[in-house]
Amino acid sequence: EADIYQTPRYLVIGTGKKITLECSQTMGHDKMYWYQQDPGMELHLIHYSYGVNSTEKGDLSSESTVSRIRTEHFPLTLESARPSHTSQYLCASSGRDRGEQYFGPGTRLTVT
Amino acid sequence: KNEVEQSPQNLTAQEGEFITINCSYSVGISALHWLQQHPGGGIVSLFMLSSGKKKHGRLIATINIQEKHSSLHITASHPRDSAVYICAVTSNSGYALNFGKGTSLLVTP
Repeated sequence: EADIYQTPRYLVIGTGKKITLECSQTMGHDKMYWYQQDPGMELHLIHYSYGVNSTEKGDLSSESTVSRIRTEHFPLTLESARPSHTSQYLCASSGRDRGEQYFGPGTRLTVT
Repeated sequence: KNEVEQSPQNLTAQEGEFITINCSYSVGISALHWLQQHPGGGIVSLFMLSSGKKKHGRLIATINIQEKHSSLHITASHPRDSAVYICAVTSNSGYALNFGKGTSLLVTP
C-alpha cells in the first residue's frame, strides 16, 4: 500500500473561507501532483512539482496555489472558496524515473 | 496535449465473463498506465507499460505502440472487479498523467 496521505478526507465549507488541503508522502518521491476530478468526469492536472521550491500550474486552470518547502509535503490552498470549487482533489507522487504514480485517498470538498 | 480515448464508457458483465477495455491515444508517450478507481474515490495503479504485455493475476494489459492502442483484459470477472478503469498516458516531455474518461464496469453475480 502506498504511503501517501491526504487530509481532510471530507470538507464542507462556506463560500469565502480560506482552506488548505494537506498531502504528505513518506516514499521520498521528488515529483508530486494535484489532480481535480468533478463527479463522473475525468481527472485533470492542476499543479505539479518536480522537487523542493519547484511548482508549476497544470493543464486545468485553477484558482488554487501550492507550495513545496519540504520533499514530503505538498499542500494546496484556496484563498477564497467558491461553490465552483466543489470537487474531489487527488494528490499523487512518483519517483525519479517516469515511474508509477501513487495516489492519496482524495479530499472531497463541498463549498456551500 | 495528449488525447486519450477509452471504450466502452460503460460495461455490464456477468460473473465469469472475459472483459476487454480499450484505450487509444494520439501522440507520442513514454508510458501508458491503467488505473482502478473504486466508488470511494481512491485510485490504484494496476499497470504501467511502454511495450508488449503485462499480467497480474486475472488482469492482462497490452500495448501496441505503432497503433497507439492499449487493451486491459479481465479474465473470469468477479463482482469485486466492479470499478472505474482509467487509461492514462505520460507524454515524452513530462511526468504528469493525461487521463481518459474512464470505463465504468459492473460485474453482476
